[in-house]
Parts: sequence; C-alpha cells; structure tokens
Amino acid sequence: DIVMTQSPLSLPVTPGEPASISCRSSQSLLHTNGFHYLDWYLQKPGQSPQLLFYLGSNRASGVPDRFTVSGSGTDFTLKISRVEADDVGVYYCMQALQTPQTFGQGTKVEIK
Amino acid sequence: EVQLVESGGGLVQPGGSLKLSCAASGFTFSGSAMHWVRQASGKGLEWVGRITSKAESYVTGYGASVNGRFTISRDDSKNTAYLQMNSLKTEDTAVYYCARRQTGGGLEVRGQGTTVTVSS
Repeated sequence: DIVMTQSPLSLPVTPGEPASISCRSSQSLLHTNGFHYLDWYLQKPGQSPQLLFYLGSNRASGVPDRFTVSGSGTDFTLKISRVEADDVGVYYCMQALQTPQTFGQGTKVEIK
Repeated sequence: EVQLVESGGGLVQPGGSLKLSCAASGFTFSGSAMHWVRQASGKGLEWVGRITSKAESYVTGYGASVNGRFTISRDDSKNTAYLQMNSLKTEDTAVYYCARRQTGGGLEVRGQGTTVTVSS
C-alpha cells in the first residue's frame, strides 16, 4: 500500500499569515496520463470532509485562490497565502493512484 | 443539488453484521464510482472501499483492514450504494461516509455519515 505522510500534524497559525502543509507518498503518484493522483481535503470542525484539490493541482469549485498546491512525484505542498479564521480544521491528502486509496494522518490547523 | 444520504448505522455486537445504505440524487448515479470512507472518533479519515460504474465493470476495491469482511454493492435502478459489513470488530466503530467520485477526480462527501458502534 502507498503510505502518505503529512507534516506538521499540528499547525498553529496567525490570521493573515501564510501556512504550509507537506504531504509525501511512499511511491510516485504520477500516472501514465500525466496527472498526479493526489487530492486534498479539509474537514472543518463538526463537518464532513470537503474537496479542495484533485488530480494534483485542480482547484475544486468554490475554493478560494489563497489556497495553492505544488509538487510532483512523491512530494506535495498545500499553501494558504493568508490564513483566515474559516480555514481552521484538519487537512488531509489522499492518493488515488492505487487501490487501496490512502489518506495522510491529517494536519490540524488552528488559530493562535 | 447533489445529495448523498447514509443510513443503516447502529449498535452491533462484535462478530455481527450490518448493512449501510447511501441514497443518491442530483447527479447521474449510474455513471459515478461510489466510495465509502470512515472516521473513528477523534481519528483521521480512512478509505474503506469503492465500486466503479457499470461502464467500468462494477470493480470493487477495499482497504486492508476491511478486505474480506466488507462488501460494496450498488443498485443503479434505486440510485443507492451499499456497504455490507460482516465479522465486525470493535475497531470498526466509526462514522461512515459515502462519497461519489466526481468527473475529473476527487471525492464529494455530502452527508453527515452514519454511526456504527461495535460493542458488547
């Protein structure tokens, strides 16, 4: 199985400041079709998870452009340019290249 | 509007069985792969499994911890996906979400999940 490793696991942030989350996979997530099969999700407190990005760098509908993703192969990063209070929650990366699909442990973002 | 409504959760004894349902609407159910994801209290997300569409031959796949015990099926005439859980263990206690794989990629979770508690 592909192992997904996120860091940090906890991220206290100051509103207006940037934030960055790393996601590493134990195998390359590059498909032969040229896409990276890596998705990002945010689970806000008390809510179901919501999709942020899919196939590496495709922003889901309604996701603000202060969220960006980068990376390739096995190393990926989610960045928030200026954190807002509404961004708190747990962020997960998930690989969809191989079955079983696997999630990272999650990164809890909270306001300082 | 896409709707995914999970049901069928409850309290079951270790070794028992339970069947969850996911009623879908607002999209072409028959053309979508359907996934199940679970979350134990205070823990992270865990991918349970998925079933592809008829066009992709109804292929199923499962996570290591449930493989051989859980079975995913679907009834396209009823726009419903199912998760049959057998030989349940205490560690299967979790909120279970169903999700559809969106055209282009990514999972869409719409419901609040259904809670399964395995306890004697």
